[in-house]
Amino acid sequence: AQSVSQHNHHVILSEAASLELGCNYSYGGTVNLFWYVQYPGQHLQLLLKYFSGDPLVKGIKGFEAEFIKSKFSFNLRKPSVQWSDTAEYFCAVIFNTNAGKSTFGDGTTLTVKP
Amino acid sequence: GAVVSQHPSWVICKSGTSVKIECRSLDFQATTMFWYRQFPKQSLMLMATSNEGSKATYEQGVEKDKFLINHASLTLSTLTVTSAHPEDSSFYICSAQKQGGEGYTFGSGTRLTVV
Repeated sequence: AQSVSQHNHHVILSEAASLELGCNYSYGGTVNLFWYVQYPGQHLQLLLKYFSGDPLVKGIKGFEAEFIKSKFSFNLRKPSVQWSDTAEYFCAVIFNTNAGKSTFGDGTTLTVKP
Repeated sequence: GAVVSQHPSWVICKSGTSVKIECRSLDFQATTMFWYRQFPKQSLMLMATSNEGSKATYEQGVEKDKFLINHASLTLSTLTVTSAHPEDSSFYICSAQKQGGEGYTFGSGTRLTVV
């Protein structure tokens, strides 16, 4: 069955630490990949997306993600986190690019200590 | 940009009553909108795909008679929770994609509390 898994449920970092959040999916076909962020009390915002081309994708706020097809992974990275990055992060995958519906991972709560 | 407006932001209703939630694409037309449900500290679960001018497509396990979806125009989809019960209390979120665009824009969500 098609699924999305985020291995880290809660990550706690100090400011300036590097961040990597894992996202894996199970599906052998073409996918569209997304990372969304949900700040406390706010709605989902798109951080970055991958549809095709360069597997290293740069998004907003200094985030980037790398699509590794052989590993079915799309990990999110940031070299130096800030307190304001404290939020919930969701990986999402569109398995059937014609249907357009997204399947979300369970989310990772990131807490950055000042 | 692509903006999706969702209304109301929060609603409290009595058990047994119905609640309508609106999702509007403000600056683009959306032939397809999606409705999600998010329980506290959990991920978003797709409930249904709303198709303009036709019936919605519901995910397995979602009661179509309880969660009525109407997509009468290219800019508006509504979700009506009928005969709401406390277990329907949740955060409901819609999303839409601008035609020709990439990625999806999410509404700000509706917090439904059934008492």
